[in-house]
Amino acid sequence: DAGITQSPRHKVTETGTPVTLRCHQTENHRYMYWYRQDPGHGLRLIHYSYGVKDTDKGEVSDGYSVSRSKTEDFLLTLESATSSQTSVYFCAISPDRVSEQYFGPGTRLTVT
Amino acid sequence: GENVEQHPSTLSVQEGDSAVIKCTYSDSASNYFPWYKQELGKRPQLIIDIRSNVGEKKDQRIAVTLNKTAKHFSLHITETQPEDSAVYFCAASRGGSQGNLIFGKGTKLSVKP
Repeated sequence: DAGITQSPRHKVTETGTPVTLRCHQTENHRYMYWYRQDPGHGLRLIHYSYGVKDTDKGEVSDGYSVSRSKTEDFLLTLESATSSQTSVYFCAISPDRVSEQYFGPGTRLTVT
Repeated sequence: GENVEQHPSTLSVQEGDSAVIKCTYSDSASNYFPWYKQELGKRPQLIIDIRSNVGEKKDQRIAVTLNKTAKHFSLHITETQPEDSAVYFCAASRGGSQGNLIFGKGTKLSVKP
């Protein structure tokens, strides 16, 4: 597996609380992505980054924000968690615009 | 907006049979088409990919075909084995953007021994 980790791996939080998920890579890849995976929906892109401080929205970005202050770290923040954000979150990295994306191990988030 | 449709959603085959999964895409600028395999509780992992200047690509028991005119591509697995049981996702690159993929909703493949 490519050098990509996610933390935490599991989290239970209450509705209305802020939550930050971290993705860390050791591959020096330019592109980083956050996806959520839900039954029946496949993988849906939340936000992605194409360089330090360069980010853009994906198809399901409402309620989420991201930051990338260093090449190796990409943070996903749920500003005020809701039950609809209960999901498995995957981070992915890729070296260039159109090439294989390597996925992290995932974070299972439960919002009660 | 752009989308990728994947069929079937579930597929059950006998060990040794072939399995075919089909995807169609809407963005005519898409030029990269990967396939991912995800085992239960694990991360998606690339198994094969194809670019728009190629019509077919093979890797041992796995092959992918691409028809750009019809905007569809397919995954073919021959001589299936129980360890091929997983969820398979197709994806297409989003044209004209900084770079991301649109995923199909997945096909759950079960290979019965």
